[in-house]
Amino acid sequence: AQRVTQPEKLLSVFKGAPVELKCNYSYSGSPELFWYVQYSRQRLQLLLRHISRESIKGFTADLNKGETSFHLKKPFAQEEDSAMYYCALRTAVNKLTFGGGTRVLVKP
Amino acid sequence: EAGVVQSPRYKIIEKKQPVAFWCNPISGHNTLYWYLQNLGQGPELLIRYENEEAVDDSQLPKDRFSAERLKGVDSTLKIQPAELGDSAVYLCASSSLNNNEQFFGPGTRLTVL
Repeated sequence: AQRVTQPEKLLSVFKGAPVELKCNYSYSGSPELFWYVQYSRQRLQLLLRHISRESIKGFTADLNKGETSFHLKKPFAQEEDSAMYYCALRTAVNKLTFGGGTRVLVKP
Repeated sequence: EAGVVQSPRYKIIEKKQPVAFWCNPISGHNTLYWYLQNLGQGPELLIRYENEEAVDDSQLPKDRFSAERLKGVDSTLKIQPAELGDSAVYLCASSSLNNNEQFFGPGTRLTVL
C-alpha cells in the first residue's frame, strides 16, 4: 500500500537560515510527488510538483527514487514561509495520498 | 474567480444528530473530491467523483456517511448520525480532466459534542 511519511511535525528556523522538509514515500509503481502548502487562514494549495522541476518561492524538491524521498528545500527561509507543508503522492489517476504535514515556523 | 466554495465554514452539533456539507467546485472541473482532515494529520480521501459518478468511495464509511453529486456540479456530504470521532475538517477539492492539480476549498470544521 502507498504511504507518505513526513517525520518532522515542527521545524523552527531563523530567518535567512536554510530549511529542509523531509518526505519519504512507499509505492511500488511509478510515483508522482507534490508539495502542498497551507498558510495561516488560507486554503491548501499546490506549491510544486516533481515533474515540473521548477523552483517556486525559492523552494525546490528533487525526487530520489533510490531513497524514495522528495525533500523540500529552501536555502534562505523567510518569515512568510511559515505555514503547514504537506507532501503528497499520486498513485492513480487523480488520487492523492498525503503525509501528516510539517509545520514550519520562521523566526525573525 | 471564487475558487471552490464550501458551506458552512463551521458547524457544531450534538452527537447522533445529522449534518450536511455542501461544495461547489470550480466551473468546468469534472472531478470533485471530499477529504477528511483530522487534527494534526494530512487530508484523507473519502470519495472522488468524475462528473456525477462516484469512481472511488472505498474510504467512505458507508454506514453513516453518504454523498451525492446529482447534476455533476455541486455536491453534498452527509453524516447521519454523527459521532464524537467525526469532529474534523471536511475538505472539498476539484480538478479538470486536463490538469491533475487539485484546488481546495476552505473546508468545513465540524465539532460534535
